[in-house]
Amino acid sequence: AQSVAQPEDQVNVAEGNPLTVKCTYSVSGNPYLFWYVQYPNRGLQFLLKYITGDNLVKGSYGFEAEFNKSQTSFHLKKPSALVSDSALYFCAVKEVNRDDKIIFGKGTRLHILP
Amino acid sequence: KAGVTQTPRYLIKTRGQQVTLSCSPISGHRSVSWYQQTPGQGLQFLFEYFSETQRNKGNFPGRFSGRQFSNSRSEMNVSTLELGDSALYLCASSLTGTAYEQYFGPGTRLTVT
Repeated sequence: AQSVAQPEDQVNVAEGNPLTVKCTYSVSGNPYLFWYVQYPNRGLQFLLKYITGDNLVKGSYGFEAEFNKSQTSFHLKKPSALVSDSALYFCAVKEVNRDDKIIFGKGTRLHILP
Repeated sequence: KAGVTQTPRYLIKTRGQQVTLSCSPISGHRSVSWYQQTPGQGLQFLFEYFSETQRNKGNFPGRFSGRQFSNSRSEMNVSTLELGDSALYLCASSLTGTAYEQYFGPGTRLTVT
């Protein structure tokens, strides 16, 4: 069965510092991997996805994520955090070529401290 | 292009009642998925509809059901409401399915008393 884990409920980062939000996954085959963000009082928004190809995926708002097959991880990163990046971040996985449901993690709340 | 719309935005119901939530996807999107968001469980997949057919279903009891109409609009129904059904219910649409970018609506906040 596929699963996804976000080991940190909350991450605090000072503005201007690099940030990392962690995600690990488990699927029997190859994964589609996603990051979504939920800003306060706004809907969930797509950030980026990995399907195949380059392990470093670039997305919206300066975010990127690195796919690591050996560690089954898909960590979200940004070189320099902004206060406006404070939000709830969700990682999701769906297995390629299987008509399975998509699984979301429980979310990580990111606080960027001014 | 108009985004995903959900109605109503807020709902208060009593235990034992039933409720119907509505979702209008982005024009041209044929896939509609429903999710339940709670602080403790995060975002949980309920079901996905594509061209009026249920394509996937999450691990929810049969009290949760849905349907999709020929214009891709979707409804979700919860019967015999329980206190634990209080949550934010999100609808998302995409061109072909959850393997691709999904566009989420603002959600319906359901409170069961």
